[in-house]
Amino acid sequence: QSVLTQPPSVSGAPGQRVTISCTGSSSNIGAGYDVHWYQQLPGAAPKLLIYANRNRPSGVPDRFSVSKSGTSASLAITGLQAEDEADYYCQSFDISLSGSAVVFGGGTKLTVL
Amino acid sequence: EVQLVESGGGLVQPGRSLRLSCAASGFTFDDCAMHWVRQAPGKGLEWVSGITWNSGSIAYADSVKGRFTISRDNAKNSLYLQMNSLRPEDTALYYCAKGMALYMAYGMDVWGHGTTVTVSS
Repeated sequence: QSVLTQPPSVSGAPGQRVTISCTGSSSNIGAGYDVHWYQQLPGAAPKLLIYANRNRPSGVPDRFSVSKSGTSASLAITGLQAEDEADYYCQSFDISLSGSAVVFGGGTKLTVL
Repeated sequence: EVQLVESGGGLVQPGRSLRLSCAASGFTFDDCAMHWVRQAPGKGLEWVSGITWNSGSIAYADSVKGRFTISRDNAKNSLYLQMNSLRPEDTALYYCAKGMALYMAYGMDVWGHGTTVTVSS
């Protein structure tokens, strides 16, 4: 059971818009810690997609964007392309009575129909 | 070129130990927190452990606390993970990842290709 909750899968046709939610709690996203997103293509290492809630590393197209509110964040992908088919993970930081930890969502598999 | 190269994985029996290494190059190693993240076959990413730039703060996932020890040698641009009392559920591809700042609460912008650890009798 992941600390951050993501839907297991989403799908969309080329050109469409899809969103992937990431729900946390008051000890992580709700405490003000940044949310980061990663894309993992099949057989590859994860790649940083969005950092600090809304920033895109060089080379990441502006088709990828993020919104954040309260204890949740959401990744939106517009103009869906076949190359976007991958697993997507959100990540934040959590502080609780048991200590501090980096936390990931369980991952969402995006299928381009 | 910014690069992380993991090594030290392999097949090990339950209860035994293994030490992973990560060699960093192309960036100022002691300007960054570092992490180990693992991925079991067919599963998602699981953060294992992190260490701040000066080793002043270290954190572990509950699943490895008391069994794994993270360390770094800034003079050698290297990160390590000592894994003791290994269990079958530790079987995974282990990634070394570079934090984007001195401390752990930030994203990870560079990842290695991973080293495979298999725990089985």
